[in-house]
Amino acid sequence: DTEVTQTPKHLVMGMTNKKSLKCEQHMGHRAMYWYKQKAKKPPELMFVYSYEKLSINESVPSRFSPECPNSSLLNLHLHALQPEDSALYLCASSQFRGEGNEKLFFGSGTQLSVL
Amino acid sequence: GQQVMQIPQYQHVQEGEDFTTYCNSSTTLSNIQWYKQRPGGHPVFLIQLVKSGEVKKQKRLTFQFGEAKKNSSLHITATQTTDVGTYFCAGPDNDMRFGAGTRLTVKP
Repeated sequence: DTEVTQTPKHLVMGMTNKKSLKCEQHMGHRAMYWYKQKAKKPPELMFVYSYEKLSINESVPSRFSPECPNSSLLNLHLHALQPEDSALYLCASSQFRGEGNEKLFFGSGTQLSVL
Repeated sequence: GQQVMQIPQYQHVQEGEDFTTYCNSSTTLSNIQWYKQRPGGHPVFLIQLVKSGEVKKQKRLTFQFGEAKKNSSLHITATQTTDVGTYFCAGPDNDMRFGAGTRLTVKP
């Protein structure tokens, strides 16, 4: 199984809503990533978890709250988002961080629209 | 993290023409990876280059890592419409941040 599964595929939310994006992998990978991608732009790194611990936070606003409950799951909790947060949110995993093990497997993403 | 510059931003070719995209770093890279993202899709890993001067081929795609490990290129011979997409480089020295990408369009 070389899949990274993201749910939901599409999400529309108001600025006062609270929602969560979910990501799951069963490849035994110990590093998981959140990226944000605007149309016609490269994926922008948001968070990196290594062995379920947050190792990189790219100064992301606190309205985005990541969580890694176990080695297979990664969540992104959303609260009080702004319309400019509308984007494709991509989850990825890699075997480990470091020593050339960062080959990324991406999920299909969640297309988020904030109204 | 280190910054990797990718050029060109866009390339439009006639089907059958060749295509090359470049990634350049001001510092030595431990390794570099290339990804392809089709329109409406997600990035997909193509290859990882580790050794100085390394050249790897995948059918019509040729990947090179510079002798100084500061630059890399992806060359596609005789492009086809299936090559359409955006090609990104990324690397662990930059915490897996992506280059700006090169968007390739192919006219049949």
